[in-house]
Amino acid sequence: EPEVTQTPSHQVTQMGQEVILRCVPISNHLYFYWYRQILGQKVEFLVSFYNNEISEKSEIFDDQFSVERPDGSNFTLKIRSTKLEDSAMYFCASSVISDTQYFGPGTRLTVL
Amino acid sequence: GNSVTQMEGPVTLSEEAFLTINCTYTATGYPSLFWYVQYPGEGLQLLLKATKADDKGSNKGFEATYRKETTSFHLEKGSVQVSDSAVYFCASVNAGGTSYGKLTFGQGTILTVHP
Repeated sequence: EPEVTQTPSHQVTQMGQEVILRCVPISNHLYFYWYRQILGQKVEFLVSFYNNEISEKSEIFDDQFSVERPDGSNFTLKIRSTKLEDSAMYFCASSVISDTQYFGPGTRLTVL
Repeated sequence: GNSVTQMEGPVTLSEEAFLTINCTYTATGYPSLFWYVQYPGEGLQLLLKATKADDKGSNKGFEATYRKETTSFHLEKGSVQVSDSAVYFCASVNAGGTSYGKLTFGQGTILTVHP
């Protein structure tokens, strides 16, 4: 069964450093998403991406964040200058239409 | 915008007990509703879904019915197992039209099942 994959599973970085989180969505899916979950809290929407552009973003997704689909398979989330409060689990998801989303296993980001 | 409220947790049950986790939603339009499950150390897995009023989603013995009149989507299972111990998230999305599928999650309910 096709699944969403994410790398790395765990990323440790110093405050102020740039990180890139990578995702490979399910191959025939057209909509791509990033969510995050701070430890012990609810899952929060960050951004949705369709037709090679951002279709919606939350107030969390400020100028420090960017997304890209550099080729036909990868979908990346970049944080330019990480802050302590960016420490969270980041989930990538994809869907055929803007309905049922399938999630990857997540990347745990730890900012020191 | 949409919001989802789940019952306060955590929930602790003995094996074979009946499970209900309450979920209510507010939304503009007619959202699709989902239950996702997160097992310890893992990501979110889709458990079941319903896309319109009176639909019943079911999977692995879990069920939930989309109740428009009470704006609810309560999760039930007749006989839980230790392996059902996980965090359960209710979620909604306004799909189609100008919506691009932003999922709104409830706060999650931790379920622990003892032998």
